[in-house]
Amino acid sequence: AQTVTQSQPEMSVQEAETVTLSCTYDTSESDYYLFWYKQPPSRQMILVIRQEAYKQQNATENRFSVNFQKAAKSFSLKISDSQLGDAAMYFCAYRSALANNNDMRFGAGTRLTVKP
Amino acid sequence: EPEVTQTPSHQVTQMGQEVILRCVPISNHLYFYWYRQILGQKVEFLVSFYNNEISEKSEIFDDQFSVERPDGSNFTLKIRSTKLEDSAMYFCASRRQGYNSPLHFGNGTRLTVT
Repeated sequence: AQTVTQSQPEMSVQEAETVTLSCTYDTSESDYYLFWYKQPPSRQMILVIRQEAYKQQNATENRFSVNFQKAAKSFSLKISDSQLGDAAMYFCAYRSALANNNDMRFGAGTRLTVKP
Repeated sequence: EPEVTQTPSHQVTQMGQEVILRCVPISNHLYFYWYRQILGQKVEFLVSFYNNEISEKSEIFDDQFSVERPDGSNFTLKIRSTKLEDSAMYFCASRRQGYNSPLHFGNGTRLTVT
């Protein structure tokens, strides 16, 4: 079974600075999808960014970008120019591309604090 | 933008009682999910549903749990006899066709079992 590991339970960053959240995963599959979700205090799960494993180019969404290292099974999230509104729990997630295995598995989460 | 909606936002029930958590997925989505998150812990997969049947379930999803899509819009999670350890946030999610399509989550139902 696939597992997702987020080794940083908590991180903090100064406003306007850059922070990187780590995520590693374990899989024997070659085709899959990776996601980062943000969960603010409102508890809603909000998609931040996604990456297809077959794409070598790292995904980017405005201030959010990933460093996808397929061989190392690593999928870190970089937040540039951090804002107070970025403070939240961040969950890394994996989903297989197999037709009969379409659920998403989450890591334990990293709580990000943004200091003004 | 269409959203996944969940009701109620907070449900309090006594141990041993049955609860039904309700979800209205996004209308053109085909895959439906329930996840739970015990306070301060990770988001855990419960069950996925496609084409009017369960496609996958986790070890958490035992005989006390069931899901149903009673009509074309609702997707429900029933817990037959709640236990204290069922207290958690329950998230419904849906996605459209396509392997790379992300899950869209509802705001969750906080279930408190007393």
